Amino acid sequence: AQSVTQPDIHITVSEGASLELRCNYSYGATPYLFWYVQSPGQGLQLLLKYFSGDTLVQGIKGFEAEFKRSQSSFNLRKPSVHWSDAAEYFCATKANAGGTSYGKLTFGQGTILTVHP
Amino acid sequence: DTGVSQDPRHKITKRGQNVTFRCDPISEHNRLYWYRQTLGQGPEFLTYFQNEAQLEKSRLLSDRFSAERPKGSFSTLEIQRTEQGDSAMYLCASSLGTGTSGYLAKNIQYFGAGTRLSVL
Repeated sequence: AQSVTQPDIHITVSEGASLELRCNYSYGATPYLFWYVQSPGQGLQLLLKYFSGDTLVQGIKGFEAEFKRSQSSFNLRKPSVHWSDAAEYFCATKANAGGTSYGKLTFGQGTILTVHP
Repeated sequence: DTGVSQDPRHKITKRGQNVTFRCDPISEHNRLYWYRQTLGQGPEFLTYFQNEAQLEKSRLLSDRFSAERPKGSFSTLEIQRTEQGDSAMYLCASSLGTGTSGYLAKNIQYFGAGTRLSVL
């Protein structure tokens, strides 16, 4: 079964500082990988996705993520954080073949990002 | 395109009561998903539909839970005899599923703002 681990429950950074949120997945093959962001009272918004190809993917709002097969990781990065980036971030995976579970996403437990001015 | 809409946004109920939530997907999307999110956790998959067919149900979906998607448009999630452990955010998502099965997995899910249920 697939699983996703986000080791950091809460991260605090200063505005303008760089950011890296960690995500590790467990899956027998290369999964499809996603990062979503959730602001209070809002639904989940897709930041970026990885299916195949270039292991460095660009997303919205200046975010990027790098897929590293050797480390089973898909870490999210941003070079300079803005106060509006404060939110909860979820890494997710989806099976890319086999069975009838193409639909469901498996999420990590989330990382809350606090941004200090 | 108005996005995925969920109603109500908040529901407070007493233990033992029945509740029903509604989800209106993005209009051309044929796949619809329900997830549950408890405090401090990521969303957990409950069930999904392709058109009106319910294709998969999680073991989290006990006998007290039922979901429908009549006519393949909006969906409802009903919880009977609510328990305090049912308190959570219930999220709906939709996607457009086309192509071969492998391609289906690439379809992006778009989420609604959720219904927050509090069982007293």
